[in-house]
Amino acid sequence: GDSVTQMEGPVTLSEEAFLTINCTYTATGYPSLFWYVQYPGEGLQLLLKATKADDKGSNKGFEATYRKETTSFHLEKGSVQVSDSAVYFCALDSGGYQKVTFGTGTKLQVIP
Amino acid sequence: SQTIHQWPATLVQPVGSPLSLECTVEGTSNPNLYWYRQAAGRGLQLLFYSVGIGQISSEVPQNLSASRPQDRQFILSSKKLLLSDSGFYLCAWQGDSSYNEQFFGPGTRLTVL
Repeated sequence: GDSVTQMEGPVTLSEEAFLTINCTYTATGYPSLFWYVQYPGEGLQLLLKATKADDKGSNKGFEATYRKETTSFHLEKGSVQVSDSAVYFCALDSGGYQKVTFGTGTKLQVIP
Repeated sequence: SQTIHQWPATLVQPVGSPLSLECTVEGTSNPNLYWYRQAAGRGLQLLFYSVGIGQISSEVPQNLSASRPQDRQFILSSKKLLLSDSGFYLCAWQGDSSYNEQFFGPGTRLTVL
C-alpha cells in the first residue's frame, strides 16, 4: 500500500537558517504530493503541492520538488522565521477513493 | 468559497459518557468527508471516511462510530468514551475529482478524564 516516510523531529533551527525536511514515499501509479502545516492548536493547512514528476510546489518561501526517480518530495526554505514553528506533514494521494496518506509529521522549532 | 466547521472546539468528558462531534461543510456539494484523530505528539490516524450520504468506511476498529445524515454533515459518536479516546479530532473534506488536496477544519480537543 501507499506510505510516506518523514524525518523524525523535532528539528530546532536558529532564525534565518536553511531548512530541509526529508520526505520519501511509496505509491502505486503517479500520486499527487502535498506538504501540510499545522500551527499549535489548529487544523492542517495545505502549504504546497505538486501533481506530476519534476513539478515544483512553492508557497511562503517554502519549496518542494517532485522527484520520481528518488520517490522524494523534500521541503526546503532558505531562511526560516520564528513564525514558521509548526508541525509539517508530507502526504500523497494516489487516486481511487481519494484517501490521502500522511506522514507522521515533523515538528519544527525556530529560535530567535 | 468553501468552509468547514467543527464543534465543539474543546470538550472534557468523563470515562463512560457518550460523545457527539459535528462537522459541516459549506460551499461544495458531494464532498468526500473524513475523520482523523491526532494523539498528543503523534501523527494523523484516519478513523472514518465517507463518499456519500449514509456511506461510511471505517479504517480502525474501535468504540467510535460515524454517520453522514446529510450531504455536508459528518458526525463522530461514541456510546461510552475510554481514556484512550482523548486527542485532537480533525474533520476534512475533499472534492470528488481525483488528486485533490484535503481541507481541514479547526479541530476538536477532547479530554477524557
